[in-house]
Amino acid sequence: QVQLVQSGAEVKKPGSSVKVTCKTSGGTFSSSAISWVRQAPGQGLEWMGGIIPIFETANYAQKFQGRVTITADESTSTTIMELHSLRSEDTAVFYCARGEHGDWRLDYWGQGTRVTVSS
Amino acid sequence: DIQMTQSPSTLSASVGDRVSITCRASQSISDWLAWYQQKPGKAPKLLIFKASTLETGVPSRFSGSGSGTEFTLTISSLQPDDFATYYCQQYDSFSYSFGQGTRLEIK
Repeated sequence: QVQLVQSGAEVKKPGSSVKVTCKTSGGTFSSSAISWVRQAPGQGLEWMGGIIPIFETANYAQKFQGRVTITADESTSTTIMELHSLRSEDTAVFYCARGEHGDWRLDYWGQGTRVTVSS
Repeated sequence: DIQMTQSPSTLSASVGDRVSITCRASQSISDWLAWYQQKPGKAPKLLIFKASTLETGVPSRFSGSGSGTEFTLTISSLQPDDFATYYCQQYDSFSYSFGQGTRLEIK
């Protein structure tokens, strides 16, 4: 049974950074395609970027390029998303989600991590 | 980046109705399209991938069709559990953009 478990809620100041982790169990982590998706309150889903751990290189949506870093630690089956230069518009729930064997459809999702950016 | 446009944004329907949601891509994505269902406060759930393949465990009243730039999600006979928001997503090329969502509400 595949499970993705994310780290807990965060409250951050504008201009700071946040790090959200996503631990995967079940399946083959190294060849999974892990995506990060943002959902602002009352809004739709935005694909931020993703990584296939065995390839190490992440790909990012143009909107988030330069402000987000996604890495993977194969020793702990954990993916990490770091978002920098936070602003109020980044207040959202962030989800990690997995595609099997490098397929980018998202068949398993984490529970979501709420990040609040407020002064 | 490929833009995904869903219509309608909101759909009002009754239990037992047949409904369809359309998703258009700004360029051809072959059949690299997925549909997701999301309920308030929950993570999205994969319903259909490769435009028309039903995910394991998803009821057969859900179906998907289309290729290239135009796609449709159809629910053949709405059940109370189906009232939710639906998103399409292309996974043909980075970035793997979503449609803006269709909220399916009870008439």
